[in-house]
Amino acid sequence: KAGVTQTPRYLIKTRGQQVTLSCSPISGHRSVSWYQQTPGQGLQFLFEYFSETQRNKGNFPGRFSGRQFSNSRSEMNVSTLELGDSALYLCASSYQASLAKNIQYFGAGTRLSVL
Amino acid sequence: SQQGEEDPQALSIQEGENATMNCSYKTSINNLQWYRQNSGRGLVHLILIRSNEREKHSGRLRVTLDTSKKSSSLLITASRAADTASYFCATTSGGSNYKLTFGKGTLLTVNP
Repeated sequence: KAGVTQTPRYLIKTRGQQVTLSCSPISGHRSVSWYQQTPGQGLQFLFEYFSETQRNKGNFPGRFSGRQFSNSRSEMNVSTLELGDSALYLCASSYQASLAKNIQYFGAGTRLSVL
Repeated sequence: SQQGEEDPQALSIQEGENATMNCSYKTSINNLQWYRQNSGRGLVHLILIRSNEREKHSGRLRVTLDTSKKSSSLLITASRAADTASYFCATTSGGSNYKLTFGKGTLLTVNP
């Protein structure tokens, strides 16, 4: 089975622009989560989607949004980019196993640099 | 917000030695997981321990969980240079089993 695929791997944008990141989960996985990783704040949860519905959301401003398509692929959008949005954005997928045994499989990430 | 806090922040050992990393968390949990990250890439799941378990083994990995102290430890035995990576603990709590709350991680360097 192919792993979680994130595109693009690297992205350079300027302040004020918007960006869309893409994530293709492992085949059969219906849950997709997004995380932001920075040296200062570490790994922080952005949101989680299941069957095209957002089920969980982290503490990020409304500039960060996402969606999930019927094939479970997900996109994340950041509008009006700020310098502080520079980070590694990680996507993870999960098969809906028992609640006590959720394991997430991560993609290699998209490294976003905002200039 | 960070739930888990690992210590030490960095650990340097020789190949063949054992490495122990600790994680503390603040609220009651459903389970605790350990992940490895190589040089700014994606995370790889290592092991999951449920809140009602006290110890778990997987190959050279041993994880313990003490819910009374809200802490966990990860032991890697007979370390190899390939174990060089950052190690993170992550917890799930409440009804939100698909939201992982990560600690800041321990950077392990295994010198050949």
